[in-house]
Amino acid sequence: DAKTTQPNSMESNEEEPVHLPCNHSTISGTDYIHWYRQLPSQGPEYVIHGLTSNVNNRMASLAIAEDRKSSTLILHRATLRDAAVYYCILRDPIAYSGAGSYQLTFGKGTKLSVIP
Amino acid sequence: GAVVSQHPSWVICKSGTSVKIECRSLDFQATTMFWYRQFPKQSLMLMATSNEGSKATYEQGVEKDKFLINHASLTLSTLTVTSAHPEDSSFYICSARPPLALTYEQYFGPGTRLTVT
Repeated sequence: DAKTTQPNSMESNEEEPVHLPCNHSTISGTDYIHWYRQLPSQGPEYVIHGLTSNVNNRMASLAIAEDRKSSTLILHRATLRDAAVYYCILRDPIAYSGAGSYQLTFGKGTKLSVIP
Repeated sequence: GAVVSQHPSWVICKSGTSVKIECRSLDFQATTMFWYRQFPKQSLMLMATSNEGSKATYEQGVEKDKFLINHASLTLSTLTVTSAHPEDSSFYICSARPPLALTYEQYFGPGTRLTVT
């Protein structure tokens, strides 16, 4: 799997936008970019995913660089509930087959702290 | 969204005993479920992939005779930690993939914290 690099930690003030970066310079043309987050003492939660175009959903936006070597998860207004570890994960659905093609490999992620 | 539950949420057991953790998909059928382990301040590590009606596939370094996985139905997978030792103390998390999910969208359970004394 292509490697991702994320800052270990970030801080944000409550109700301000947060931009969480992820570098993936070795991304392949068929790698999807996924974001999950894990709140303290809970299982991870799916946030968003994309391939080439920017994506929006009710939780966040995903901005993907034109060369796809980096992406940014955008939380438009951070709340205290958004304090979590955010994981950026690449996966190529074509490279694997069967149940193994759906495995996720978690890196260290970015720990986001939200300041009231 | 899809909901995955785990039971128990926490368990304390004595060294040498066995513990069973259940993972259920509540509102969808999951042909594939995954089991992860997470030590304090570390990331999730995939232990095994569980397929309904067949044997689980274990990741390298995970003892299949120690961590028994059963996926007997489309909504239930169980992980049994046999002859538990203090080093097995960890946060165990399962996930399930809805059959029509896009790419790698998975839904995770809330986790089970195991403490072996």
